[in-house]
Amino acid sequence: DAGVTQSPTHLIKTRGQQVTLRCSPKSGHDTVSWYQQALGQGPQFIFQYYEEEERQRGNFPDRFSGHQFPNYSSELNVNALLLGDSALYLCASSSGTGTYEQYFGPGTRLTVT
Amino acid sequence: RKEVEQDPGPFNVPEGATVAFNCTYSNSASQSFFWYRQDCRKEPKLLMSVYSSGNEDGRFTAQLNRASQYISLLIRDSKLSDSATYLCVPRGDTDKLIFGTGTRLQVFP
Repeated sequence: DAGVTQSPTHLIKTRGQQVTLRCSPKSGHDTVSWYQQALGQGPQFIFQYYEEEERQRGNFPDRFSGHQFPNYSSELNVNALLLGDSALYLCASSSGTGTYEQYFGPGTRLTVT
Repeated sequence: RKEVEQDPGPFNVPEGATVAFNCTYSNSASQSFFWYRQDCRKEPKLLMSVYSSGNEDGRFTAQLNRASQYISLLIRDSKLSDSATYLCVPRGDTDKLIFGTGTRLQVFP
């Protein structure tokens, strides 16, 4: 049973560039949430996708956008990168009904220079 | 008041010790709670879910006190492999998880 997968593992970008991160949920899950984790901090909720719609959003600017595909996989896009966007980006999947337990992928480590 | 508050530690304990972590949360409407463990530079891994007053899984016991908005995690017979950061995570609106900064545990031989 494949768990949550994310790509790429690491990424280095320069300020002002755009980046796309990808996530495939655990088998049987239909909901994908994205989190940003800065060094020494807990993960911060960015947004959540269910049925290809953004269901809820955290306190992140519009530079952060996303998409969910019919196969439940998801992308996170960040435009106009800032140095402060350097972080570990985590994707978590869950079932839209039931226990609401979220399972995390290994993350993408983004460095903005 | 922060949404989730945990003692950051570190808690340094010898193998075999019993250790307890405490967590307070501000949203009285939270219905579900989770404990995750996170190893350095890795993703959080779900350790335990708490939907009622508590839960027990082997050496790990979680207790929930809704009146005081307080949840605890007890680890008995600590192992070296228990060394990690432990995150108390209430579930907020819909599936949103609210993370604090966690409590760091270091188990030494």
